[in-house]
Amino acid sequence: DTGVSQNPRHKITKRGQNVTFRCDPISEHNRLYWYRQTLGQGPEFLTYFQNEAQLEKSRLLSDRFSAERPKGSFSTLEIQRTEQGDSAMYLCASSFGSVNTEAFFGQGTRLTVV
Amino acid sequence: KQEVTQIPAALSVPEGENLVLNCSFTDSAIYNLQWFRQDPGKGLTSLLLIQSSQREQTSGRLNASLDKSSGRSTLYIAASQPGDSATYLCAVRNTGNQFYFGTGTSLTVIP
Repeated sequence: DTGVSQNPRHKITKRGQNVTFRCDPISEHNRLYWYRQTLGQGPEFLTYFQNEAQLEKSRLLSDRFSAERPKGSFSTLEIQRTEQGDSAMYLCASSFGSVNTEAFFGQGTRLTVV
Repeated sequence: KQEVTQIPAALSVPEGENLVLNCSFTDSAIYNLQWFRQDPGKGLTSLLLIQSSQREQTSGRLNASLDKSSGRSTLYIAASQPGDSATYLCAVRNTGNQFYFGTGTSLTVIP
């Protein structure tokens, strides 16, 4: 499969628990993005990696959120002490080269905090 | 901060009609604009990418135009089909690395 892969597809967790999502970008894509989308809204930027370096973070990314991209390959997004307001679709995207290239999104991870 | 608006929010058309979706943005200093399709509960599928120096891009029945100076883009869908039913999102990329998305247009094509 040559697309962006996200796991799990769905996650239901109790408030206060920690969750971790994984994104496998398209092979050799150096740029990786995380977005969050709530119902009826467009995706909102969370963070950006170029290779293994996290170069940009949104103010939406509170201290309960952390993202990593070890070795510039897959990435993980962890949410600690989840809150009901964290319920959303978490989308990962990747692209290759400069800012002018096409970005490809994965199928997303749907998080429900109960 | 870049603001992206999509009009209409929802659109329902009979099969076979040609239609236009609109996207406007407030900051014209963009690198590019990308149109996506999103099916319910799914991720985003890239449709077309237009660079800031381009006026339009075509892919099959889809044609996207860009007027950077006026902050507008349109997505034209020819001969619509029920399978085109989805939410269509436009996203602009300014200097920096993030996309700014609109809230989308929900399209329903009636057989």
